[in-house]
Amino acid sequence: DVKVTQSSRYLVKRTGEKVFLECVQDMDHENMFWYRQDPGLGLRLIYFSYDVKMKEKGDIPEGYSVSREKKERFSLILESASTNQTSMYLCASSFGGQGTGELFFGEGSRLTVL
Amino acid sequence: GEDVEQSLFLSVREGDSSVINCTYTDSSSTYLYWYKQEPGAGLQLLTYIFSNMDMKQDQRLTVLLNKKDKHLSLRIADTQTGDSAIYFCAERSSGTYKYIFGTGTRLKVLA
Repeated sequence: DVKVTQSSRYLVKRTGEKVFLECVQDMDHENMFWYRQDPGLGLRLIYFSYDVKMKEKGDIPEGYSVSREKKERFSLILESASTNQTSMYLCASSFGGQGTGELFFGEGSRLTVL
Repeated sequence: GEDVEQSLFLSVREGDSSVINCTYTDSSSTYLYWYKQEPGAGLQLLTYIFSNMDMKQDQRLTVLLNKKDKHLSLRIADTQTGDSAIYFCAERSSGTYKYIFGTGTRLKVLA
């Protein structure tokens, strides 16, 4: 069964803390994505990566960075968490090249910043 | 800029049909998708349609595309309580990785 696994389902952090969200996929996908989901706003793209060590900013990259050292792993980093980063974070992956472009999602990481 | 709009809520009775609507702005969209998110889970692809199609049917699901009005709909026949979820419309242009997601429509099925 194909799988995208996010390391933490629920996290509570304090303002100013550094936060790591890890995502691993077992489908040998080239593309990986980090989205943020907020009620009434849908999914907003933070960053995506189309290859190892390659990354591109999405629509809301401010306050976030990413790391892709291995093909299967894509990490989202909040250098100094703030309360407005309280949200649900969703990781996704997809095949590169032609095709339907179907996204496979992890179950999400709900982050609360106090 | 590009935008995808959906109504936020829909409530139907079990056994009725549900119709979830979506409008989009990007005329270069090649692929249009419907994703389903069940409580506490990530999104899962339900179905998709190419922009050169008008309709696609897959068991209880029917997708209609009106390219002139940039309107996409998802019809679920014989809606069941297990269909209660958030449904997201999304678009993507060929050759890009970028998806534009709608806000999601929360479907509530009443027994």
